[in-house]
Amino acid sequence: EAQVTQNPRYLITVTGKKLTVTCSQNMNHEYMSWYRQDPGLGLRQIYYSMNVEVTDKGDVPEGYKVSRKEKRNFPLILESPSPNQTSLYFCASSLRIAGGLYNEQFFGPGTRLTVL
Amino acid sequence: AQKVTQAQTEISVVEKEDVTLDCVYETRDTTYYLFWYKQPPSGELVFLIRRNSFDEQNEISGRYSWNFQKSTSSFNFTITASQVVDSAVYFCALSESQGGSEKLVFGKGMKLTVNP
Repeated sequence: EAQVTQNPRYLITVTGKKLTVTCSQNMNHEYMSWYRQDPGLGLRQIYYSMNVEVTDKGDVPEGYKVSRKEKRNFPLILESPSPNQTSLYFCASSLRIAGGLYNEQFFGPGTRLTVL
Repeated sequence: AQKVTQAQTEISVVEKEDVTLDCVYETRDTTYYLFWYKQPPSGELVFLIRRNSFDEQNEISGRYSWNFQKSTSSFNFTITASQVVDSAVYFCALSESQGGSEKLVFGKGMKLTVNP
């Protein structure tokens, strides 16, 4: 089954304790991305990757890191989480169309993170 | 500056009413894509439609229809004869491809409640 998986689905942690949210897709998609969803703010892009070893900042990258060592995986790293990073996080992947544009995004189920 | 505007934040209708969700976008790209996604109460994000900037033909899919007008930078979504299952948050999104970066920008979403 074609899918994007995220782990963990729920996480409660404390300020400053490093954490990683994993994301994996089995559709051989080039493009992967992380979003956070906050009430009243919609979805905002944190980081994206157009292919292996190619990553770039989205609109809200501060406090986050990513890596893309393999095509299928795109982990999100919070080196020193803070309460303002409490949010619902979505990973997504998509094909890239020639010319740089891309197809619809397939989203993971979401990770609800609470930072105390 | 906000690039995707969904002016309505919340709408409540009675079943069988028609409802239109507005989306206005802003971009300097000549080639771009517009999307609508649905997020039901269960939380997952479901792709509904993609439209590229060269295709202004309106589209109908069952009770759903989309009206794309470049002249007004709008991509509105109409649900005809709404049903309780249409209750969800709906997001409009715009893909951008400027200066080698590729981003997907979402509106803040519009919560639709369909009451029986």
